[in-house]
Amino acid sequence: AQSVTQLGSHVSVSEGALVLLRCNYSSSVPPYLFWYVQYPNQGLQLLLKYTSAATLVKGINGFEAEFKKSETSFHLTKPSAHMSDAAEYFCAVSDPSSGSARQLTFGSGTQLTVLP
Amino acid sequence: KAGVTQTPRYLIKTRGQQVTLSCSPISGHRSVSWYQQTPGQGLQFLFEYFSETQRNKGNFPGRFSGRQFSNSRSEMNVSTLELGDSALYLCASSATASLYEQYFGPGTRLTVT
Repeated sequence: AQSVTQLGSHVSVSEGALVLLRCNYSSSVPPYLFWYVQYPNQGLQLLLKYTSAATLVKGINGFEAEFKKSETSFHLTKPSAHMSDAAEYFCAVSDPSSGSARQLTFGSGTQLTVLP
Repeated sequence: KAGVTQTPRYLIKTRGQQVTLSCSPISGHRSVSWYQQTPGQGLQFLFEYFSETQRNKGNFPGRFSGRQFSNSRSEMNVSTLELGDSALYLCASSATASLYEQYFGPGTRLTVT
């Protein structure tokens, strides 16, 4: 079974400051890992994905994440926060070796607030 | 390309009723997955359909069912609604060749009173 833990249900940063959202996963097989963003009253938008290629993954809107197998982590970062980054962020994992590779297991989410 | 569309966007039903939600995937996408999002349980996988066949099912009671049509459009049905079924229901589609590029629709907000 797979699981995802997102540390910190709420994170506040000042505009221009570093954004760091934490995600740890549990998986018995090499996983695929994802970060999604959800704006109010909208669906989920894929920010970036790790699919066993480069461990440092760059995504949209200046976000990136690093897969660290030894730490079972996939933290999301952005060097400089913008007001438009305020949203809820979800880390997700799937098992690409199974017949349910598209079945995502999500973390509980982190609400990011950007302060002016 | 048009994105994933879900109808209706908002729905209010009474306990005991049934409801059908619709999802139209991105053109050419044959896989459709459904998720339930609630404040208490978060995002949970309901089921996945591919080429009109259910491939996977999450841990939900039999009151939750779905189907997929030959044009890849999908519907999900919830019978005998309970208050706890109030949620945002999200649909995601993906292309056959991709195991990880899933595109989500805006969701249907179901309120059960």
